[in-house]
Amino acid sequence: RKEVEQDPGPFNVPEGATVAFNCTYSNSASQSFFWYRQDCRKEPKLLMSVYSSGNEDGRFTAQLNRASQYISLLIRDSKLSDSATYLCVVNIGGKSTFGDGTTLTVKP
Amino acid sequence: DVKVTQSSRYLVKRTGEKVFLECVQDMDHENMFWYRQDPGLGLRLIYFSYDVKMKEKGDIPEGYSVSREKKERFSLILESASTNQTSMYLCASAQGGVNSPLHFGNGTRLTVT
Repeated sequence: RKEVEQDPGPFNVPEGATVAFNCTYSNSASQSFFWYRQDCRKEPKLLMSVYSSGNEDGRFTAQLNRASQYISLLIRDSKLSDSATYLCVVNIGGKSTFGDGTTLTVKP
Repeated sequence: DVKVTQSSRYLVKRTGEKVFLECVQDMDHENMFWYRQDPGLGLRLIYFSYDVKMKEKGDIPEGYSVSREKKERFSLILESASTNQTSMYLCASAQGGVNSPLHFGNGTRLTVT
């Protein structure tokens, strides 16, 4: 079983849609959590950290459920520019493990 | 803004060559990392370093070594390049602490022929 698992998608949604990604992790000692965005042939870039109380950044909301060992990312009012691969990242002791990513395509 | 610079964007090497991939960060970060990314396999950690002259093996260290002589520079070395090391190599840095996110360089696409 992989340490960090994501639904690979692809998710194909129309502009304006709400889309949610989930990610599960296997190590209960995991300490911190992040979502990254990666555009085609580019490096991953930090989208947002994920806090236990949940956090929001504009159209993006991240949630953490430690009991069930999953994190989620909700994107509201999708834009064409949101098309990318979204990577879930789990950190233990400063070492990060990445999920394989979920691909999102937002269509006009 | 954090800047992580990788010395080459594209590199083509022959089997058996010794290959050096260089990475420099300008934010005085404690931690530096080398990943490779392959289709269907995601990002996999090769080596990392929490301090100068310190190194730790990641998940796939075989065939690689690293050097960290200065805090800002972390080099990945392929001792004898092989075709299965053809990949995208990504360097990253982070401040010390478990809640520090990674900041990536723009990657080196290495082809070994």
